[in-house]
Amino acid sequence: GAGVSQTPSNKVTEKGKYVELRCDPISGHTALYWYRQSLGQGPEFLIYFQGTGAADDSGLPNDRFFAVRPEGSVSTLKIQRTERGDSAVYLCASSSLTRNNEQFFGPGTRLTVL
Amino acid sequence: SQQGEEDPQALSIQEGENATMNCSYKTSINNLQWYRQNSGRGLVHLILIRSNEREKHSGRLRVTLDTSKKSSSLLITASRAADTASYFCATVLTGGFKTIFGAGTRLFVKA
Repeated sequence: GAGVSQTPSNKVTEKGKYVELRCDPISGHTALYWYRQSLGQGPEFLIYFQGTGAADDSGLPNDRFFAVRPEGSVSTLKIQRTERGDSAVYLCASSSLTRNNEQFFGPGTRLTVL
Repeated sequence: SQQGEEDPQALSIQEGENATMNCSYKTSINNLQWYRQNSGRGLVHLILIRSNEREKHSGRLRVTLDTSKKSSSLLITASRAADTASYFCATVLTGGFKTIFGAGTRLFVKA
């Protein structure tokens, strides 16, 4: 595709449920980032993938959050036992390391935990 | 916690005026980038400045970087109503690709 896509665009779930958020990066981009953004704040770094491996997961808030990128392309962010405080827009970005780390962002998934 | 701090938090100007936003950071960086965001979704990359550069231009944008003061500024000249958006600085930390965003400056350009 022409850009980074994320699905779903909106997700409403109940406290305690499990959710998966998907990111399709730009074809050929080896780097993939997940961020979380709350209203009125800047994006908060969660995890960075280089290929299939998580090169830096220091931003994941706790062990309820997990992300995978098994084939080095599509990535899934998984949140277990969701809490109301997890409500935010989850942003994905991809980057080609030959472009000095300019990141291309998807439109985000708005997660609402009731 | 967020590393970048932006100043001002909000800025309201008339069309045609210049807008200046500032960003400060705390640790050593590889590069610093500025992004724009409309309506709370989908950030768009504006410009990147490397740690060994002091100034960069792109169209109506001018970015400066002072690594001794750990600060950067973004100047938008001859602003337009379409420039109304939130602007974020993002620092890429030395030795890796972890990217830290500031809280942003909300720019309002009145027609």
